[in-house]
This record gives sequence, C-alpha cells and structure tokens, in this order.
Amino acid sequence: ETGVTQTPRHLVMGMTNKKSLKCEQHLGHNAMYWYKQSAKKPLELMFVYNFKEQTENNSVPSRFSPECPNSSHLFLHLHTLQPEDSALYLCASSLDLNTGELFFGEGSRLTVL
Amino acid sequence: QKEVEQNSGPLSVPEGAIASLNCTYSDRGSQSFFWYRQYSGKSPELIMSIYSNGDKEDGRFTAQLNKASQYVSLLIRDSQPSDSATYLCAVMGGTASKLTFGTGTRLQVTL
Repeated sequence: ETGVTQTPRHLVMGMTNKKSLKCEQHLGHNAMYWYKQSAKKPLELMFVYNFKEQTENNSVPSRFSPECPNSSHLFLHLHTLQPEDSALYLCASSLDLNTGELFFGEGSRLTVL
Repeated sequence: QKEVEQNSGPLSVPEGAIASLNCTYSDRGSQSFFWYRQYSGKSPELIMSIYSNGDKEDGRFTAQLNKASQYVSLLIRDSQPSDSATYLCAVMGGTASKLTFGTGTRLQVTL
C-alpha cells in the first residue's frame, strides 16, 4: 500500500469510447504525475501537476486530457484513443517537484481495441 | 544516445550471490539518482536514492555513484528469489529538471 490509489485497475475500450482514469493520494503530497509505461520503453512522463496547477504537458496528444481538481485527486480523461495507446498508465505523487522520490499507484492497464 | 542507459537483461544470479546492476547517464549536470524496483504486474517502488559520490548502504542494498564517470550502480548482497524483478534507474537534475528513467534491468535470482 503506497498511499496512492488508482481506478480502474483494468480497462478495455473501443476507439470511439470515452473513459476516465482516477488517482487519489493520501500522503499529503503537493505534486502528482501521469506516466505511460509500454513494453521495452522507459517510463514516459505525460503530465505534471503542482498544487493542482499543471506544470508540464510532455507533448501528449489531445485525446488524453488531465484534470486535477485538488492536490489529492488526479484524473486522466480518454477519448478516441488508438490501439497504440494500449499501455499501463501510472499515477504518482511526490512531496514537491524538487524530488525524484515518487510514490506510484498500482496502475491502470488500458487496452484499446 | 539514450539519456539513462541500462542493460535490459535478464541478469541471472544464483541465490546468495551478489547482483550488480549498472546504469549510465548522459547529462553531466545530474544531481539526484534513484533505484526503483518493479515486480511483474506491479508498479515501481523506490528502494534507494543517492545524491553524492561514493556508496550508500541500506540493508542488503548498496548504491554506488561516480559522477565523473556518469555511472550509478546497485549491488544486492545475498540475493533472494524475492529480489527477482525489474530494476529501474532514474536520474534527475542538470539541464532537465524532470526525473528520467532507464528501460530497466530484469533480475532473475535462481535457486
């Protein structure tokens, strides 16, 4: 139990569906992140939020839309995805942006048909 | 050139042996270095961080940093089957302030 909870753990969606991934952290951290993990590739940083303000969008396609209503919650809204978007999506949090000590959620395994 | 480079493995070591995992990085200004462990089907978990040259020990784990050679390693003494996992090296600081991960080294500890 890392203090970071992600739902759903598994998601299968068609290319025309709209779905959302949810992340909640109970650690009192101020920074939250979305990462994408694909086979044989390094973890790819997608979005960074600090005190619920977005500080980084790592050239992510607009079919991925993040939302951070407060420092404890983070969403990733998905729409018109492509099969190559199938991957493990990891949420993480850290005390602030100046540390590399991240706490990860268990991830949401996404399959796009 | 990859920013953070690791041999993908698998690295196979017998139970009780020392496992040595290596990582090189390209940004000479990097300041902070981390090792994450990721079991199959699970998320990464931070196991070691190191910020200055030399060795840092925590139980069976020792992280070694050599900034001049742009090299960081993780030694696991008395390897156990439960150490079988993928180990991710991550680097922060320098020209890119974000945390950059390597692709990971898969470690197999055999009985």
